Amino acid sequence: EAGVAQSPRYKIIEKRQSVAFWCNPISGHATLYWYQQILGQGPKLLIQFQNNGVVDDSQLPKDRFSAERLKGVDSTLKIQPAKLEDSAVYLCASSPIKPGPNTEAFFGQGTRLTVV
Amino acid sequence: GENVEQHPSTLSVQEGDSAVIKCTYSDSASNYFPWYKQELGKRPQLIIDIRSNVGEKKDQRIAVTLNKTAKHFSLHITETQPEDSAVYFCAARDTGRRALTFGSGTRLQVQP
Repeated sequence: EAGVAQSPRYKIIEKRQSVAFWCNPISGHATLYWYQQILGQGPKLLIQFQNNGVVDDSQLPKDRFSAERLKGVDSTLKIQPAKLEDSAVYLCASSPIKPGPNTEAFFGQGTRLTVV
Repeated sequence: GENVEQHPSTLSVQEGDSAVIKCTYSDSASNYFPWYKQELGKRPQLIIDIRSNVGEKKDQRIAVTLNKTAKHFSLHITETQPEDSAVYFCAARDTGRRALTFGSGTRLQVQP
């Protein structure tokens, strides 16, 4: 099956600029996640959608980060304004139907953001 | 919320030796424990997972054990090969949050 698609693969911006990332999950997957992976660390959940509704955004820095999932398919994650500490790989993942104890998450390739 | 600790952070073994990576979790409600392998610049890929109703699962050279009482699970790789070199992440699913909480990763290097 086709995997999770993300773009762009790489992005370099100056601090205080804005940036947006795009994710297209696996077809039919109702649940979509955005994770932030800082170099040398494990992925950390930013936001979880089920269809087009937010399930968990408790770790999303809402003063600068926003995300949406229009029509319950593609999703965009935006940072405005960016800070140096936002440099990381932003991973999108999706899982089928309703999340439960037996569903795995499939990851995209990620977008590597460098803020200078 | 869930907290997952992973050890060691780096592990170097000789080709053919075994490697063991250990994780502990904090939330007794967690019931799904996957392991992901991430090669440099690539996406994390699921290599094996275990549910809370079993204590051990094996897939060729890879096995995972789970001790729910101790809230501890481990990844075992036998007969390691250079292509096993990567960063390995354990994770746990908190049924309340329904998203994976990851450990900090173990960089495994298999020396030929």
